Amino acid sequence: QQKVQQSPESLIVPEGGMASLNCTSSDRNVDYFWWYRQHSGKSPKMLMSIFSNGEKEEGRFTVHLNKASLHTSLHIRDSQPSDSALYLCAARMNTGGLSGKLTFGEGTQVTVIS
Amino acid sequence: EAAVTQSPRSKVAVTGGKVTLSCHQTNNHDYMYWYRQDTGHGLRLIHYSYVADSTEKGDIPDGYKASRPSQENFSLILELASLSQTAVYFCASSEGRSYEQYFGPGTRLTVL
Repeated sequence: QQKVQQSPESLIVPEGGMASLNCTSSDRNVDYFWWYRQHSGKSPKMLMSIFSNGEKEEGRFTVHLNKASLHTSLHIRDSQPSDSALYLCAARMNTGGLSGKLTFGEGTQVTVIS
Repeated sequence: EAAVTQSPRSKVAVTGGKVTLSCHQTNNHDYMYWYRQDTGHGLRLIHYSYVADSTEKGDIPDGYKASRPSQENFSLILELASLSQTAVYFCASSEGRSYEQYFGPGTRLTVL
C-alpha cells in the first residue's frame, strides 16, 4: 500500500485560476513533507517544504499542513501555463538514526489551459 | 545552484547484461540517492548513502547494487538487466536528511 497518497491524479485549471492539490500519509512516523515540481522531460525541483502545523506562503504558492491528519495541501493561485507539470509530494518517515529516506507519492498532473 | 551530473544520459542494454549508471555531485553533500521513475509516475527509492564507502537499501533494492567510493560519486549497478528495469533513473544529493534534494538530469534506460 502506498504510504503517500496524492489526489487528484490529474487537474485541468484555467489560466489565472486556482489549483489545489492534496497529499496524505498513512504512516504516523512522518515528520517532514516536501512538494516537488517536475516539468515534462525534466528532473524534479523542490517547490516548498513544511514540517510545522499551519501555512507557508511563497509567491503564488501556499502549503498547508495538518499534522494530526497527516495531510498537506498545495495551492497555486493565478495559475500560469508554465505551472503545467507533475507535482510530487514527498514525506520523510522519522525512523530514527541518519536515514534521509523520502517516500514519494504518484503525483498530480496539472495542466493549465489558456 | 547545486550540481548533480549523471552518465550516460541514455542507455540501451540487453537482457542479462550488466549496466552501470554513474552520478557525480560537486555540492559537497553527504547524502546521495538513486530513484527510478516509470512513465507518468512518482519516484521510488532504490539505494541511498550518507557517507562514503557505505550504502543503504531503499524501498526497491532487489536487482540493484550501489557503490559510493567517494563523497562525490555514487553508482548504480544492474548485474543482470531485465525488461522490468526499463525506466528513467534519477540521482540526487542533499546536504542532510532534513534538506532539499537536488536531482540530476536523469538517465533513460531501455532494456531489450
